[in-house]
Amino acid sequence: QKEVEQNSGPLSVPEGAIASLNCTYSDRGSQSFFWYRQYSGKSPELIMSIYSNGDKEDGRFTAQLNKASQYVSLLIRDSQPSDSATYLCAVSDSNYQLIWGAGTKLIIKP
Amino acid sequence: EPEVTQTPSHQVTQMGQEVILRCVPISNHLYFYWYRQILGQKVEFLVSFYNNEISEKSEIFDDQFSVERPDGSNFTLKIRSTKLEDSAMYFCASTLLAGRSYEQYFGPGTRLTVT
Repeated sequence: QKEVEQNSGPLSVPEGAIASLNCTYSDRGSQSFFWYRQYSGKSPELIMSIYSNGDKEDGRFTAQLNKASQYVSLLIRDSQPSDSATYLCAVSDSNYQLIWGAGTKLIIKP
Repeated sequence: EPEVTQTPSHQVTQMGQEVILRCVPISNHLYFYWYRQILGQKVEFLVSFYNNEISEKSEIFDDQFSVERPDGSNFTLKIRSTKLEDSAMYFCASTLLAGRSYEQYFGPGTRLTVT
């Protein structure tokens, strides 16, 4: 059974601080890794994709991938109240099917 | 910027009725997906569609469900004889799946309420 695990939270972070979200996955053959943001009642919105070991930065967001440890993380710098949402980790298997984590609820406190 | 669209945004139906949920994927994308999310739960994969046929389907996607691409733009999910437990958000997604671009982009969803 392929699984993606995330801490459900809520993770509470002061405004302006760094939010760190983590995800582990079970399928060692996974090749593609994604972070989606989902506001309550809305659809998942893609914010980062990462395919290779290491870091990938896009604005205030940095995704980190460690395939040996089967670990993906998302860092959000200078957190804003608008970053408050549920963050979903998704991992693509060899058939390009996304396996989803349950999401981590992030709360940014002003 | 191109986006996935879905209609209707909210569908209310009685148990046992058939519903059709509609999606227009991003125009140059090649793979299409349906997902559902029951309130407060994980996003669940239902089915993927490529080259006018089902590519993969989950155990949720039983004979009650079907998908179709009736023309060059629309992608539909039909649920026959709806049950109370079919109440959920249904999301359509599409991906280009070319080179290394496996990113899936989601539509706004259809909230299905079965009474």
